[in-house]
Amino acid sequence: QKEVEQNSGPLSVPEGAIASLNCTYSDRGSQSFFWYRQYSGKSPELIMFIYSNGDKEDGRFTAQLNKASQYVSLLIRDSQPSDSATYLCAVQSGGSYIPTFGRGTSLIVHP
Amino acid sequence: GAGVSQSPSNKVTEKGKDVELRCDPISGHTALYWYRQSLGQGLEFLIYFQGNSAPDKSGLPSDRFSAERTGGSVSTLTIQRTQQEDSAVYLCASRRDRNTEAFFGQGTRLTVV
Repeated sequence: QKEVEQNSGPLSVPEGAIASLNCTYSDRGSQSFFWYRQYSGKSPELIMFIYSNGDKEDGRFTAQLNKASQYVSLLIRDSQPSDSATYLCAVQSGGSYIPTFGRGTSLIVHP
Repeated sequence: GAGVSQSPSNKVTEKGKDVELRCDPISGHTALYWYRQSLGQGLEFLIYFQGNSAPDKSGLPSDRFSAERTGGSVSTLTIQRTQQEDSAVYLCASRRDRNTEAFFGQGTRLTVV
């Protein structure tokens, strides 16, 4: 059973701070990692994907992947109230073409 | 199309009735997925289509659920003899190919009363 674990939160950070969202996964053969943002009542929208160990930056977002420790994280710099949402981590194994999603972490950015 | 389109956006049905949910993927996307999301829960995989290959049905919760994809494009998810526990948001996603990022439709909110 391939598992993707996320702390459900809520994670509360002040506006302007760095929000750090973490995700661990059980399958060592995982090769593709995705972060989605889901606003209440809306469908998930892709923020970033990462395939290689290390950091990948896109604007205020940085994805960090550590395959040896089996975790992937998302950092949001200069957090804004509009970043308040649930963040879903999705992991796909090398031998599978089906992304497995975690339950998501609720982020609240307060002014 | 510009994005993944799902219809209807909302569906209320009586217990025991059959429902059909439609997904129109992004043009040219060969991979199509159905997930469902119950209130406060994560995304539960249902079924995966890749090109003309046989679908991966491993996530379908019971034989009341079925799906087809015609001509490698539009997909229909059918739920027969609906039960109250089928109430959820049904999300469709498509990808250009099996290793790229997936894009979701706006979902169909199904309520079984």
